[in-house]
Amino acid sequence: DARVTQTPRHKVTEMGQEVTMRCQPILGHNTVFWYRQTMMQGLELLAYFRNRAPLDDSGMPKDRFSAEMPDATLATLKIQPSEPRDSAVYFCASGPPRDPNEQYFGPGTRLTVT
Amino acid sequence: AQSVAQPEDQVNVAEGNPLTVKCTYSVSGNPYLFWYVQYPNRGLQFLLKYITGDNLVKGSYGFEAEFNKSQTSFHLKKPSALVSDSALYFCAVRPLNTDKLIFGTGTRLQVFP
Repeated sequence: DARVTQTPRHKVTEMGQEVTMRCQPILGHNTVFWYRQTMMQGLELLAYFRNRAPLDDSGMPKDRFSAEMPDATLATLKIQPSEPRDSAVYFCASGPPRDPNEQYFGPGTRLTVT
Repeated sequence: AQSVAQPEDQVNVAEGNPLTVKCTYSVSGNPYLFWYVQYPNRGLQFLLKYITGDNLVKGSYGFEAEFNKSQTSFHLKKPSALVSDSALYFCAVRPLNTDKLIFGTGTRLQVFP
């Protein structure tokens, strides 16, 4: 049963600290998406990659957020420095080559910045 | 602006009754349409999609959705609701000129025994 995995599942940190979230897409999937979910804003697309190349990161605050895919099995989302308004659940999703929008979501990382 | 609307924050239905979760969209052209479900403390799960062809699309867990081009709607339906269907449901649309999905705000479905 192939699944997207995300670590950590929960993260509590203080304002100003660096946060790194990791995602392992399903093997063979070549599109990876990063989303943020909050009660106020709902589900927002932050960035996405295809074949490890960033295609769109227009939803991401550029001054503090960065997303990378060091290899096909790992995607990272970093926040530096973190702020309380970054508190949210961050989801990674991956999509197969045949239809990247049939997305498979990971369980999410619940981030709390105090 | 391109958007997806889910007009109901919550839908309540008794177990065994039919359910409908509404979705309308405002996107030019003929977009791809999707439904996802989110259970508590979980990521979204793909339910079904419409690309072309028959307006009635069947998906996972007995759900189906009806595409109506004239009304720009893509309502999710199920003939007989189960308590286990209680979850948050998201409609999404992919405009043809982009790879990105635009999600609605979600509708919470509550099925009562």
